[in-house]
Amino acid sequence: NAGVTQTPKFQVLKTGQSMTLQCAQDMNHEYMSWYRQDPGMGLRLIHYSVGAGITDQGEVPNGYNVSRSTTEDFPLRLLSAAPSQTSVYFCASSLSGLNTGELFFGEGSRLTVL
Amino acid sequence: DQQVKQNSPSLSVQEGRISILNCDYTNSMFDYFLWYKKYPAEGPTFLISISSIKDKNEDGRFTVFLNKSAKHLSLHIVPSQPGDSAVYFCAASGGNQFYFGTGTSLTVIP
Repeated sequence: NAGVTQTPKFQVLKTGQSMTLQCAQDMNHEYMSWYRQDPGMGLRLIHYSVGAGITDQGEVPNGYNVSRSTTEDFPLRLLSAAPSQTSVYFCASSLSGLNTGELFFGEGSRLTVL
Repeated sequence: DQQVKQNSPSLSVQEGRISILNCDYTNSMFDYFLWYKKYPAEGPTFLISISSIKDKNEDGRFTVFLNKSAKHLSLHIVPSQPGDSAVYFCAASGGNQFYFGTGTSLTVIP
């Protein structure tokens, strides 16, 4: 059972480059989300989706785009990378996303922007 | 502004003793609370949760206490084991968003 799979695990970008972090889950979860983890800041929500075709902003959405064309996939796009986006990114999913269930996390993607 | 706060960045406990990790929140609309455990280079994993209609929930060595009037929750680990050494995050939800604290690094000394 793969759970939540994130790719790539590591990435180095130059300022201004764009890239997509991939996230896929095989648990038929409706809810998917992206977090970034920074020292002293904990996990902060970037974007989330409660189902295919529906996305919404979290606490720190600027500089990121998402789409949800299928239940399984929730890619995170960095449009023009900045050094402030250097972070560890986690994708997480939940059966319903409402306040009744746990989040299942991927292993993380470490991004460095030079 | 941080809606979920963990004011202790680190905690050291002797093996076999109790570990108490604390968490405070500011939003009275939160009604579901969770604790996650994270090892280095891994994603957080779910540990235990509690709904706001309860004040205590137990699962083996782990107990979570919720004090709604104080907007405070705590995680008790008894007895603590070396394998419990990790970063612990508390999280709160009042709808479609989960808010996380900054984490407490627990070290259990053999």
